[in-house]
Amino acid sequence: AQTVTQSQPEMSVQEAETVTLSCTYDTSENNYYLFWYKQPPSRQMILVIRQEAYKQQNATENRFSVNFQKAAKSFSLKISDSQLGDTAMYFCAFMNPNSGYSTLTFGKGTMLLVSP
Amino acid sequence: KAGVTQTPRYLIKTRGQQVTLSCSPISGHRSVSWYQQTPGQGLQFLFEYFSETQRNKGNFPGRFSGRQFSNSRSEMNVSTLELGDSALYLCASSLERSVYGYTFGSGTRLTVV
Repeated sequence: AQTVTQSQPEMSVQEAETVTLSCTYDTSENNYYLFWYKQPPSRQMILVIRQEAYKQQNATENRFSVNFQKAAKSFSLKISDSQLGDTAMYFCAFMNPNSGYSTLTFGKGTMLLVSP
Repeated sequence: KAGVTQTPRYLIKTRGQQVTLSCSPISGHRSVSWYQQTPGQGLQFLFEYFSETQRNKGNFPGRFSGRQFSNSRSEMNVSTLELGDSALYLCASSLERSVYGYTFGSGTRLTVV
C-alpha cells in the first residue's frame, strides 16, 4: 500500500515571500501521479498542480512549482510571491493507475498561514 | 460551468439513524468518488462509481454504501450512525480517466450526536 507523509503540520510565511512544503511517499510502483491540493476555509479541495512520475521535468503552474525527486520519493511544493489568499490547508496526494485510477492517497496536510 | 454540488452542506443526526448525502458532478463527468475527512484519520477513500457501477471501494464497513444514477449524480448512505461517523464527506468527479485530477465539492459536514 502507498503512504504519503507530510512532515510539516503548520507553516507560516509573510506576503511576497517564498515557501516550500514537503511531501514524501512510499511506493513500489514505477508509474504514478502526484498532486497538490489546497483546501481553504470554504472546504472545497482545489487542485493546485499535478506531476506524472514518468516525466522528469518539474511541473509549474504560475506561482506554484514542484521539486519532484523520483529516486528519493520526494514531491515538494514551492509557492513564490505568497499571497494572503494562499492561506489554506495543503494536501499532497498519490494516485496509482494500477488501482484503477480512482483512488487518491492523501497525506495529513500542512496548514499554511500567509501573514501581511 | 457549474462545479461539483453537494447537498446538504450541514447535517446533524442522532446515533443509530441513517443519512443520505447527495452529489451532482460536473456535467460530462462520469466518475464520482467519495472521501471521508476527519481530524484524526485525515482523508480516506470511501468508494468510486463510474457509469452506475461501483468500480473501487475503500476499507469502510458495510454501513457505508452508495449508488450512482444514469445522470451521474451520486448518493452515499450511512446506516446505523455512530459518533465516529462525524466527518466532512467530500465528493469528487472526473472524466473517465482521472489522472488529470479530481474536482471536489465543498462537502457535507455530518455531525452525529
